[in-house]
Amino acid sequence: AQKVTQAQTEISVVEKEDVTLDCVYETRDTTYYLFWYKQPPSGELVFLIRRNSFDEQNEISGRYSWNFQKSTSSFNFTITASQVVDSAVYFCALSEANTGGFKTIFGAGTRLFVKA
Amino acid sequence: DGGITQSPKYLFRKEGQNVTLSCEQNLNHDAMYWYRQDPGQGLRLIYYSQIVNDFQKGDIAEGYSVSREKKESFPLTVTSAQKNPTAFYLCASSQKTSGVTSTDTQYFGPGTRLTVL
Repeated sequence: AQKVTQAQTEISVVEKEDVTLDCVYETRDTTYYLFWYKQPPSGELVFLIRRNSFDEQNEISGRYSWNFQKSTSSFNFTITASQVVDSAVYFCALSEANTGGFKTIFGAGTRLFVKA
Repeated sequence: DGGITQSPKYLFRKEGQNVTLSCEQNLNHDAMYWYRQDPGQGLRLIYYSQIVNDFQKGDIAEGYSVSREKKESFPLTVTSAQKNPTAFYLCASSQKTSGVTSTDTQYFGPGTRLTVL
């Protein structure tokens, strides 16, 4: 069965600090996809990144970076030099290919507070 | 602009009433989804639809119903059978990809907050 664990319920940092959001997943499928979404106070989920299980390259997009390690079943997300606008709930999600991609499992989310 | 719209943004319902939440997309996506989000929790899948006139139950379908008569529309009805309907409801869509080993990113609407009085 697939499962996504985001052990950090809430994180509070001061602006310009770096922060890492942890995500650990479980799956029996060899082909799967991992996602990160941002949910600002408005409520809409904003897509940030998608990774497939065959691509372990780390990715950087501006102040955001992602570290995918199959050996530890983790897909962690780092925000460098955090800003107040980064305050949101962040969700990690997993989709197994054997479900045709139609059953995406979400973690419980990590609420990030960035103080000025 | 392409996107997903949900209406209304806020909805209040008396116990025993059915209500219908609207979801429309103009992204030309084949697949659409409904999720429920409770405070402090992740999203749980209610129903999804891969193509027009077809839909499948998700993990928490009891007390809900859907229809998919048009590609761009996927309304969700919360029936009186749903014991605890107060929640935030999110609609999403994705491009259906071919083959069992493929998937695509889901894009979300702004959500509807339903409160039962």
